[in-house]
Amino acid sequence: GAVVSQHPSRVICKSGTSVKIECRSLDFQATTMFWYRQFPKQSLMLMATSNEGSKATYEQGVEKDKFLINHASLTLSTLTVTSAHPEDSSFYICSAGLGGQGNQPQHFGDGTRLSIL
Amino acid sequence: SQQGEEDPQALSIQEGENATMNCSYKTSINNLQWYRQNSGRGLVHLILIRSNEREKHSGRLRVTLDTSKKSSSLLITASRAADTASYFCATASYSSASKIIFGSGTRLSIRP
Repeated sequence: GAVVSQHPSRVICKSGTSVKIECRSLDFQATTMFWYRQFPKQSLMLMATSNEGSKATYEQGVEKDKFLINHASLTLSTLTVTSAHPEDSSFYICSAGLGGQGNQPQHFGDGTRLSIL
Repeated sequence: SQQGEEDPQALSIQEGENATMNCSYKTSINNLQWYRQNSGRGLVHLILIRSNEREKHSGRLRVTLDTSKKSSSLLITASRAADTASYFCATASYSSASKIIFGSGTRLSIRP
């Protein structure tokens, strides 16, 4: 089946550091990937849609200069949290679906737990 | 933003009992999907039901969809300890069917 790999699984770093998270589709090509943020015991909040070869589409309220997304190939999207602060601490999850159309389930990475000290 | 709400927010039942979770949403949908999330992990897809379908089964799972009430339910029969997880519904619209918006989730605990 379709596998999405997310790396790293956990990051602990100092305030002001920029952190890059990678999301890879291992056995399929993904023209579109999605990035979510999840706070403890809460649901997933869609941050942005990552589009291969073009700019990401951000949801309302998400700072695009804070959360930089790059989708340079059909199998890799990266999320960079720039100058991270404690309030950016969260669980970040990516997903990708087979094909670009709907009626297909999303396949999720295992998430990245980001802790900013 | 969240598309809708799920209830109950938390559910604790005895192993072997059935668990029912409900999901309500606000706008017209292309399809509705159910996912499971074990603590600290990513999400696993369970079932996708299209807007023109009313019921779908997969093993011990049964999903219903009522588009007139904008609601869906997930039934897990003969629950097992391994079913302990959070369950989320997610909806896809016609305008952007690959983009899904999640509900608030139900935390299910199965007591041995």
